Amino acid sequence: AQSVAQPEDQVNVAEGNPLTVKCTYSVSGNPYLFWYVQYPNRGLQFLLKYITGDNLVKGSYGFEAEFNKSQTSFHLKKPSALVSDSALYFCAVRDDTGGGNKLTFGTGTQLKVEL
Amino acid sequence: EAQVTQNPRYLITVTGKKLTVTCSQNMNHEYMSWYRQDPGLGLRQIYYSMNVEVTDKGDVPEGYKVSRKEKRNFPLILESPSPNQTSLYFCASSTGREQFFGPGTRLTVL
Repeated sequence: AQSVAQPEDQVNVAEGNPLTVKCTYSVSGNPYLFWYVQYPNRGLQFLLKYITGDNLVKGSYGFEAEFNKSQTSFHLKKPSALVSDSALYFCAVRDDTGGGNKLTFGTGTQLKVEL
Repeated sequence: EAQVTQNPRYLITVTGKKLTVTCSQNMNHEYMSWYRQDPGLGLRQIYYSMNVEVTDKGDVPEGYKVSRKEKRNFPLILESPSPNQTSLYFCASSTGREQFFGPGTRLTVL
């Protein structure tokens, strides 16, 4: 079985400061990891993914995430937060051992960036 | 433009009145799925389909049906909706590595 944990329901950051949104995962095989963002009254937008290769993945809007196999983590980061980054962020995982393309999502982290 | 479309976007209905939410993708993806999003629970998979005429239950299939008669369409059917099915629903299609989501359907069952 695969699972994802986002330990923080909400993260508050001042604009211009770095931000981190945490995610840890559990899968049977090798993980495919994803971050999605959801703005109010909108659908899910893809931010970035890790399939294989470099542990540091760069995505949309200046976001990046670091895959850490030993800690089974895939934290989302941005060097300098913007007020417009305020949204709900979801981490998701699937494994590469077959069984379809089922994505398992975390419960989401609300990011609030303030002036 | 590559996209996943859902209709309707908003729906208010009453308990027991059958409804269908349509989903269509134009990317020729084999894999499609339905999720529901509830506060504090994230997104949970309802049903998925690996290809035409191949469907299977996800984590929360009770009270839902699906069909996959054509590759592009994957409708979600609620035969007898109940208030606990009030939620935000997302359809998705997949290349095998990445899922593309529709805009969502906000359903309220009174």
